[in-house]
Amino acid sequence: DQQVKQNSPSLSVQEGRISILNCDYTNSMFDYFLWYKKYPAEGPTFLISISSIKDKNEDGRFTVFLNKSAKHLSLHIVPSQPGDSAVYFCAASAGSQGNLIFGKGTKLSVKP
Amino acid sequence: NAGVTQTPKFRVLKTGQSMTLLCAQDMNHEYMYWYRQDPGMGLRLIHYSVGEGTTAKGEVPDGYNVSRLKKQNFLLGLESAAPSQTSVYFCASSSRRSYGYTFGSGTRLTVV
Repeated sequence: DQQVKQNSPSLSVQEGRISILNCDYTNSMFDYFLWYKKYPAEGPTFLISISSIKDKNEDGRFTVFLNKSAKHLSLHIVPSQPGDSAVYFCAASAGSQGNLIFGKGTKLSVKP
Repeated sequence: NAGVTQTPKFRVLKTGQSMTLLCAQDMNHEYMYWYRQDPGMGLRLIHYSVGEGTTAKGEVPDGYNVSRLKKQNFLLGLESAAPSQTSVYFCASSSRRSYGYTFGSGTRLTVV
């Protein structure tokens, strides 16, 4: 029943290495995908997004890849920094009238 | 520019008590949302509004009511609080329904 799935509750990475966070979705009508970042005691903040007409979007150290045939997207952070330690939520929407549907989140820990 | 402001930030209620959470946004956004975040459950949509005077049910609406009498405010009410409503509540607003959400910093509610 869950339309947006983040199967890894947590991920630990060494500083300077690549972090890869994964997200799968089931609804083929989803056409816009976003990643949000959340620090403790704060609200989620927008990080990066991608439209279904693209397969890659890059913003500095952050890159999102979309594989529509596999209904899979991933967020790559290179290089990872301790300040990247947070919970990352994957979200998706279907059309201009669709609300965002969020995954359960992945807690990233970047160790110095 | 305050963005999205939630009050209160913390609250402890006894079972059966009622309360109202206030969300205010100063970005002239049409759309507003209430989410709850629980451990291992991600962000789940409670209710949302597509404009002043409108409200609609989200994924987990039971036990909550909402009102959007003014465009800038979105109120979430608990008529008779239950321990299952212990959660962190986030309000968000957006100018587009499918993306661009700005979140408040959250209200941590404990029902004992």
